[in-house]
Amino acid sequence: AQSVTQLDSHVSVSEGTPVLLRCNYSSSYSPSLFWYVQHPNKGLQLLLKYTSAATLVKGINGFEAEFKKSETSFHLTKPSAHMSDAAEYFCVVSPASGTYKYIFGTGTRLKVLA
Amino acid sequence: GAVVSQHPSWVICKSGTSVKIECRSLDFQATTMFWYRQFPKQSLMLMATSNEGSKATYEQGVEKDKFLINHASLTLSTLTVTSAHPEDSSFYICSARGASGTEQFFGPGTRLTVL
Repeated sequence: AQSVTQLDSHVSVSEGTPVLLRCNYSSSYSPSLFWYVQHPNKGLQLLLKYTSAATLVKGINGFEAEFKKSETSFHLTKPSAHMSDAAEYFCVVSPASGTYKYIFGTGTRLKVLA
Repeated sequence: GAVVSQHPSWVICKSGTSVKIECRSLDFQATTMFWYRQFPKQSLMLMATSNEGSKATYEQGVEKDKFLINHASLTLSTLTVTSAHPEDSSFYICSARGASGTEQFFGPGTRLTVL
């Protein structure tokens, strides 16, 4: 069985400071992992994805995430937060075959303070 | 590439009426389409998975007679909320997956309000 845990429901950072959104997963085999961002009343936008290639994944808007198998983690980071980063972030795990269903984390709301 | 559209983006209807939401993959053939429901300040909840030409597979607890899903072609899936009630008010999001890879491409969502 697969599952994903986002360790923080809310994160607040000041503009210009680093962002860390934590995600741990459980999977019986090598999964695909994704981070999505959702702005209010909008659909989901893909930030980055891990699909068994390089463990350090770079995404859009300066975000990156590192796949750490030993820690079963896929934390999302950004060196310097911007006001426009304020949104809901979802970590997702998906099997590499079969139904390809997404297992969503509960989400982390990022607040960026001026 | 990999654009998914939804129509309408929002809809208001009276209790007891039916509402149809369309999900289209604009530039690729969608082998599988997924329908999600999202309550305010919550994560996405998968309602059903559909493959072109096949009956949809519903998640546990989702009423298949209430939420009718049709995946008639490789670029179109529809979700019909039958006899809608206020508790069906929600944000409905579809996604589509192509023939290869695990990534799903999401539509912009449809806000349904039932009065």
